[in-house]
Amino acid sequence: DAGVIQSPRHEVTEMGQEVTLRCKPISGHDYLFWYRQTMMRGLELLIYFNNNVPIDDSGMPEDRFSAKMPNASFSTLKIQPSEPRDSAVYFCASSPSASGGTQYFGPGTRLTVL
Amino acid sequence: AQRVTQPEKLLSVFKGAPVELKCNYSYSGSPELFWYVQYSRQRLQLLLRHISRESIKGFTADLNKGETSFHLKKPFAQEEDSAMYYCALRPGTYKYIFGTGTRLKVLA
Repeated sequence: DAGVIQSPRHEVTEMGQEVTLRCKPISGHDYLFWYRQTMMRGLELLIYFNNNVPIDDSGMPEDRFSAKMPNASFSTLKIQPSEPRDSAVYFCASSPSASGGTQYFGPGTRLTVL
Repeated sequence: AQRVTQPEKLLSVFKGAPVELKCNYSYSGSPELFWYVQYSRQRLQLLLRHISRESIKGFTADLNKGETSFHLKKPFAQEEDSAMYYCALRPGTYKYIFGTGTRLKVLA
């Protein structure tokens, strides 16, 4: 199993552009999480899904951010329009409900907005 | 408010010295606490969880409800312990609240 897969691994874009980050969770995991990592704030939960349904999006910073999970094997996090302060590493993680809470993280996408 | 505090952004110790990474939490219920670690060029991964009461790679962490702490300890640091460590609270749901992380550097 390749684990959680994220693409792209690095993204450099200009302010105002739309950015789409992608995640493929581990097969059989029914929870999916999106996090943002910055030096100042550490690891922040943005949103999480259970069985493809968004459960808690209270961490999504503003309306510019949106996330979808159209099926059990794919999720996207979109930023439109992007701003320099969105520059961060974005992680996706998945978890099976039977794991007692253990989350399995992807390698992350490093986003730079110029 | 539910919160996890890791007061040190960077902790440097010499090889063979004891290590203690501090974690304090704020939560009124019965907490589930975890330590996650991110080694260089590797994914963030679970190191240990308080309910397991286990030692992983020589690390232990004891939940102190009176002091609301879950400090991570190792008696003798190794160079391969250098990494980013995150303390996390799971307040009764599948949602995690992470601290801001502590970077541990073990010097030769």
